[in-house]
Amino acid sequence: GQNIDQPTEMTATEGAIVQINCTYQTSGFNGLFWYQQHAGEAPTFLSYNVLDGLEEKGRFSSFLSRSKGYSYLLLKELQMKDSASYLCAVTDSNYQLIWGAGTKLIIKP
Amino acid sequence: GAVVSQHPSRVICKSGTSVKIECRSLDFQATTMFWYRQFPKQSLMLMATSNEGSKATYEQGVEKDKFLINHASLTLSTLTVTSAHPEDSSFYICSARAGEGRETQYFGPGTRLLVL
Repeated sequence: GQNIDQPTEMTATEGAIVQINCTYQTSGFNGLFWYQQHAGEAPTFLSYNVLDGLEEKGRFSSFLSRSKGYSYLLLKELQMKDSASYLCAVTDSNYQLIWGAGTKLIIKP
Repeated sequence: GAVVSQHPSRVICKSGTSVKIECRSLDFQATTMFWYRQFPKQSLMLMATSNEGSKATYEQGVEKDKFLINHASLTLSTLTVTSAHPEDSSFYICSARAGEGRETQYFGPGTRLLVL
């Protein structure tokens, strides 16, 4: 079956760095997405990786290793507004988007 | 770019009535639109996928006669919850994708439905 695993919840301190991991087992691979979802709101697009390596976008970076079925989202200089759920999603061989359950990130002052 | 709107943002209705939710891609043509449902503190659940001009593909367990989807144009899809009941109360979110596969899905702001 198809499966995406990410931690349910993480806690970090304002100003620090946090890494949210995502591992996947899917039938084929056509890219991995990270979305941010604040409570009560719809998800917003953060990043897309289809090749191995690190993609940096401001305070957020996303890494992919296709051979390991592994990605992480790295958030630097954490701010209180970064408290949200972070969703990992993979496009499989049929171009279906398979969603992880999301990681709830709690930022403490 | 890549803005998706949804209307209404919030709706309260009586049990037994039907509710229509609109999803529009404002600055791109969406060949595919997706409808999700999310209950409080739970994950996104894909309900159906719709391609412009063809019938929607529903996920297992989603009643196609209850959740009517129409994707009449490349910028508009509608979801109608027919004969809504309190258990249909949820956060309904649409997303739109411009092309095939690798194109990013952009989400609308969501519609919060409360059925009394």
